[in-house]
Amino acid sequence: GAGVSQSPSNKVTEKGKDVELRCDPISGHTALYWYRQSLGQGLEFLIYFQGNSAPDKSGLPSDRFSAERTGGSVSTLTIQRTQQEDSAVYLCASSFRGSSYNEQFFGPGTRLTVL
Amino acid sequence: DQQVKQNSPSLSVQEGRISILNCDYTNSMFDYFLWYKKYPAEGPTFLISISSIKDKNEDGRFTVFLNKSAKHLSLHIVPSQPGDSAVYFCAASKDSGTYKYIFGTGTRLKVLA
Repeated sequence: GAGVSQSPSNKVTEKGKDVELRCDPISGHTALYWYRQSLGQGLEFLIYFQGNSAPDKSGLPSDRFSAERTGGSVSTLTIQRTQQEDSAVYLCASSFRGSSYNEQFFGPGTRLTVL
Repeated sequence: DQQVKQNSPSLSVQEGRISILNCDYTNSMFDYFLWYKKYPAEGPTFLISISSIKDKNEDGRFTVFLNKSAKHLSLHIVPSQPGDSAVYFCAASKDSGTYKYIFGTGTRLKVLA
């Protein structure tokens, strides 16, 4: 079956511009997570959705970052007024429901480069 | 505050030998641990997991060992194959709240033919 998909796969933008990253989770998965991986770093948690609500936004690094999820499916991560330190690979994952014992399936990521 | 640490950024092993990847954690509340494997330009894929009620879990060539008193886990791959060459991430979670994974920085494994 189809896995988690993300678009675009690569995004190059200029400092100060806004960007939107999209995630299509596996159908039927109620839990959705955004992570990012900066150069030389591990995967850093950003936000968690259960259905359309986000009970944990604790990983969002600043108020320039926001995310939403609609219809319990597609999610978009928006970064406003991008900065060079936002350059990273942004990964989306979904799981059947929120539980440690439900494996998170990852998408291929969006590589964001802010010039 | 790095709660999950992988202190070896890279490891090279001869094909057929054992690969041992290590991971340390600091938060005693973690009760579920996972290893993910990542190839370039792909998302991480789940490899193996272990609950804190166990000290060993085996799946084919892959075995994960958990030492709770030392807050240490390791992944053993035997025998190692060239296709195992990838970056391996250790992750930890609490089975409550949001179940988010806390990842280590990864270990790049290279299996030499």
